[in-house]
Amino acid sequence: DAGVTQSPTHLIKTRGQQVTLRCSPISGHKSVSWYQQVLGQGPQFIFQYYEKEERGRGNFPDRFSARQFPNYSSELNVNALLLGDSALYLCASSWAQGGTQYFGPGTRLLVL
Amino acid sequence: GQQLNQSPQSMFIQEGEDVSMNCTSSSIFNTWLWYKQDPGEGPVLLIALYKAGELTSNGRLTAQFGITRKDSFLNISASIPSDVGIYFCAGQLRGRDDKIIFGKGTRLHILP
Repeated sequence: DAGVTQSPTHLIKTRGQQVTLRCSPISGHKSVSWYQQVLGQGPQFIFQYYEKEERGRGNFPDRFSARQFPNYSSELNVNALLLGDSALYLCASSWAQGGTQYFGPGTRLLVL
Repeated sequence: GQQLNQSPQSMFIQEGEDVSMNCTSSSIFNTWLWYKQDPGEGPVLLIALYKAGELTSNGRLTAQFGITRKDSFLNISASIPSDVGIYFCAGQLRGRDDKIIFGKGTRLHILP
């Protein structure tokens, strides 16, 4: 079975631009969470979605938003990009709220 | 906010040696997790602990959930070259928003 997939794998943007990252959960998983991992640090929680509803939000500005679609895939949007948004963005899926989270390979975003 | 202190930050060991790393928290969790991350990949779950005092093994890996619920350790016995990577401890409060709080990681190097 395919694991969590994310696209694109790499992305380069300039300051002020907007970016959309995509995540497809493991088949049958209904919960998706997003994390940001800057170089040298552990991942930091951004959002959790379960059954298309936001169930958790981390300490990130309103420039960050996300949504989950009826097929349980998800998008993370970041507006007005800053240099500090450069990071590896990880998506994790679980079969339900409270389930074990499995991570995808991430999207590496570089903001110039 | 919740913080995890993971130590050591890095380790240089000889192949065949045992490894020990630990994690402490300023607050309690009801789940402790240990992940390994290889370059260009997302974190992979190694061991999950759900009960204070629980001791769990996965092959050469052994981890324990501290009885105070504020700490955990991971031991790796008889290290091999493929153990190289970054190990993250993580805490979770299942039943709330399921967010995972990660430590900063322990980078393991194995000398030939």
